[in-house]
Amino acid sequence: NAGVMQNPRHLVRRRGQEARLRCSPMKGHSHVYWYRQLPEEGLKFMVYLQKENIIDESGMPKERFSAEFPKEGPSILRIQQVVRGDSAAYFCASSPTRSTGELFFGEGSRLTVL
Amino acid sequence: TQLLEQSPQFLSIQEGENLTVYCNSSSVFSSLQWYRQEPGEGPVLLVTVVTGGEVKKLKRLTFQFGDARKDSSLHITAAQPGDTGLYLCAGAPQGAQKLVFGQGTRLTINP
Repeated sequence: NAGVMQNPRHLVRRRGQEARLRCSPMKGHSHVYWYRQLPEEGLKFMVYLQKENIIDESGMPKERFSAEFPKEGPSILRIQQVVRGDSAAYFCASSPTRSTGELFFGEGSRLTVL
Repeated sequence: TQLLEQSPQFLSIQEGENLTVYCNSSSVFSSLQWYRQEPGEGPVLLVTVVTGGEVKKLKRLTFQFGDARKDSSLHITAAQPGDTGLYLCAGAPQGAQKLVFGQGTRLTINP
């Protein structure tokens, strides 16, 4: 019973490069959420996806950020032309249903932009 | 602006003491959840409270949901060093399909 798998756990990028973060939800879960966490802060909602659909992207910056959850394969959070302010921990969570019940979180991907 | 306000943001106490952490909002929530997060890991659900006035106990932890379903509290009795961590409350605003989180309470229990 594998949990939510995120990779890479740590990613270092230089300003202007691209970052791709992957998330494989728990088996049987078709709802994926991405959150960002800065040091000493809580989690900020970014985007909610179901298979092949973006349901709510109200927390996503309008530029440089995109997310997808294809029919096959993991969900991907993509950050283009990274800047230092993008440095954070990015957490993926999944749930089996549409309701806002328990979220199962991965261990996060920590992005450092030099 | 923060939809869910947690207080205190930082709390450091001695082992054996009691403490209460608060999660407040001006909005009504159909339910509130409490998560605990340890360094380098993702949050893990502790409890979900659904009914106004509901009280749930998890060993030395007592969770309460306000009568008006706008606030919640977490009380820890006889805190232990193993209780150290970041405690997050979360809820879904009415009509929304996402959980929003408070900024967290970072709890340190000193031996």
